[in-house]
Amino acid sequence: DGGITQSPKYLFRKEGQNVTLSCEQNLNHDAMYWYRQDPGQGLRLIYYSQIVNDFQKGDIAEGYSVSREKKESFPLTVTSAQKNPTAFYLCASRAGDTQYFGPGTRLTVL
Amino acid sequence: AQSVTQLDSHVSVSEGTPVLLRCNYSSSYSPSLFWYVQHPNKGLQLLLKYTSAATLVKGINGFEAEFKKSETSFHLTKPSAHMSDAAEYFCVVSDLWKSSGDKLTFGTGTRLAVRP
Repeated sequence: DGGITQSPKYLFRKEGQNVTLSCEQNLNHDAMYWYRQDPGQGLRLIYYSQIVNDFQKGDIAEGYSVSREKKESFPLTVTSAQKNPTAFYLCASRAGDTQYFGPGTRLTVL
Repeated sequence: AQSVTQLDSHVSVSEGTPVLLRCNYSSSYSPSLFWYVQHPNKGLQLLLKYTSAATLVKGINGFEAEFKKSETSFHLTKPSAHMSDAAEYFCVVSDLWKSSGDKLTFGTGTRLAVRP
């Protein structure tokens, strides 16, 4: 099956801990994205990568970090510097002008 | 700068009646426009997109949208609602190759409820 996978589906973290969210795609897309979704709001862009070994900050990058060592993978680390990390995180990849989304990871900070 | 306004945060219809979800956009260039649907705790699924071909765009599950440049609108419609249509819908604009580079701008979403 072709698509975008995110793991885990649910993640719980204690305050002060870093946590890494996984995003993998087998669609052979160059560009990948991370978004954050909060209730009643649209999606906000955290980071994006247009090609391997390159990535750019989005609108709300503070407290997050990413890497893009492989075309298929674009992991997101939520660091302890992120003041309000509880949210639903969505990964996407792009073909042409269309973005395709993974199923999401719900992160809860205890 | 581009922006998207979804005019209704909640819409409730009866099963079998028409659906209308309204979206207005602002863009400095000729945009690409999308509608995505999101069911609870799921990712976003592409319903349809407009990219300057036909102004009436047909999508999946019986949905369609009409691009009206004079009104800067891209409203989503469906002739007959089904219970499975209950979800959140996002209108999205992209100026991919132009001013904003490689970014989408999302509306805040419209939650559609379908009554039996």
